[in-house]
Amino acid sequence: DAKTTQPTSMDCAEGRAANLPCNHSTISGNEYVYWYRQIHSQGPQYIIHGLKNNETNEMASLIITEDRKSSTLILPHATLRDTAVYYCIVPTGANSKLTFGKGITLSVRP
Amino acid sequence: SAVISQKPSRDICQRGTSLTIQCQVDSQVTMMFWYRQQPGQSLTLIATANQGSEATYESGFVIDKFPISRPNLTFSTLTVSNMSPEDSSIYLCSASPGGRTDTQYFGPGTRLTVL
Repeated sequence: DAKTTQPTSMDCAEGRAANLPCNHSTISGNEYVYWYRQIHSQGPQYIIHGLKNNETNEMASLIITEDRKSSTLILPHATLRDTAVYYCIVPTGANSKLTFGKGITLSVRP
Repeated sequence: SAVISQKPSRDICQRGTSLTIQCQVDSQVTMMFWYRQQPGQSLTLIATANQGSEATYESGFVIDKFPISRPNLTFSTLTVSNMSPEDSSIYLCSASPGGRTDTQYFGPGTRLTVL
């Protein structure tokens, strides 16, 4: 997989936007950026993915820079339930496999 | 999307025994996967469960230790054989219902403790 780099942790206040950065400077032109999260004691949850354009769904927005070397996951109004480990993944290969790194631990404070 | 269930949710086993974990998907899916999450660690892919053929194992995982079945498009099992305390982990299955195998939906996991 193309290597991704994320900060170890961050926190934000409840109700505010949480902006989670990810660097993927070795990404190839046809590789997608995926975000998953894992809330404590649960299985990972798919959030969103994108290739070039910014993407938005009911959970989050994904902003990808024009050179595609970095991206930001935005949770527009973080709640306490958004406290989790967030994984930025760039899958590669014919049957794209997910390689989970350490992720970034987001703590949402009241 | 897909809803994944796993049985059992947790178990405590004696060393030397084997445990079979079941994974059920609420719809037919092309790809199913098995992961291990050791305490305090991230997920590691064990194998891809292929319907109608042998599973494809990742480096460091072998069929004798982790035999996998995939009898149809909605069900798979993972057996942890001849267990030792080092096998204590959370085991998760996932499924990829669409064309992209990187969009995966995960089960809740099976927490295994080996004494």
